[in-house]
Amino acid sequence: AQTVTQSQPEMSVQEAETVTLSCTYDTSESDYYLFWYKQPPSRQMILVIRQEAYKQQNATENRFSVNFQKAAKSFSLKISDSQLGDAAMYFCAYRSRPRDTGTYKYIFGTGTRLKVLA
Amino acid sequence: NAGVMQNPRHLVRRRGQEARLRCSPMKGHSHVYWYRQLPEEGLKFMVYLQKENIIDESGMPKERFSAEFPKEGPSILRIQQVVRGDSAAYFCASSPAFGAYEQYFGPGTRLTVT
Repeated sequence: AQTVTQSQPEMSVQEAETVTLSCTYDTSESDYYLFWYKQPPSRQMILVIRQEAYKQQNATENRFSVNFQKAAKSFSLKISDSQLGDAAMYFCAYRSRPRDTGTYKYIFGTGTRLKVLA
Repeated sequence: NAGVMQNPRHLVRRRGQEARLRCSPMKGHSHVYWYRQLPEEGLKFMVYLQKENIIDESGMPKERFSAEFPKEGPSILRIQQVVRGDSAAYFCASSPAFGAYEQYFGPGTRLTVT
């Protein structure tokens, strides 16, 4: 079964600095997607960035970028120029495609709480 | 285009009562997923539905939990005879088609069992 591990329960970063959140996963599949979601205190899940496993190029979205290492099964999120509004829980997610059902359920890590210090 | 809507946002039930959680997917979306988030944990998949069909319920507890997505109206997650361990945030997500890799999440329903 696929698993997603986020080993950092909490991280802090100074405003305007850069922070990297770690995520590792385990799978035997070659075709999958990886995501980072942000969950602010409102609890709304907000998609930050996604990565297709077949793409070697790392995804970027403005101040957010990933370091995708497929062989190492690592998928870290880098936030540059951190802002106070970036403070939230961040979840790494893997989109599985079990062949028998064809479902596309997400598997989430346990999250990293990011604090941004003014 | 309205996003995924869930209601109620907060639900309090006594042990033994029934809880009904509703999810209206985004317009044009016919695929719905339900997830449960326990305190300080990530979201755990419960069930995947299309209109009038349950596609994958591998994450649903065998007893007391059921889900439906009728031809008309919202998707319903029903929990019968709730226990304190059912207290959690329940999220619904929708996607437009089979194979679409993005799921759009609703704001969640926080269920508290007293």
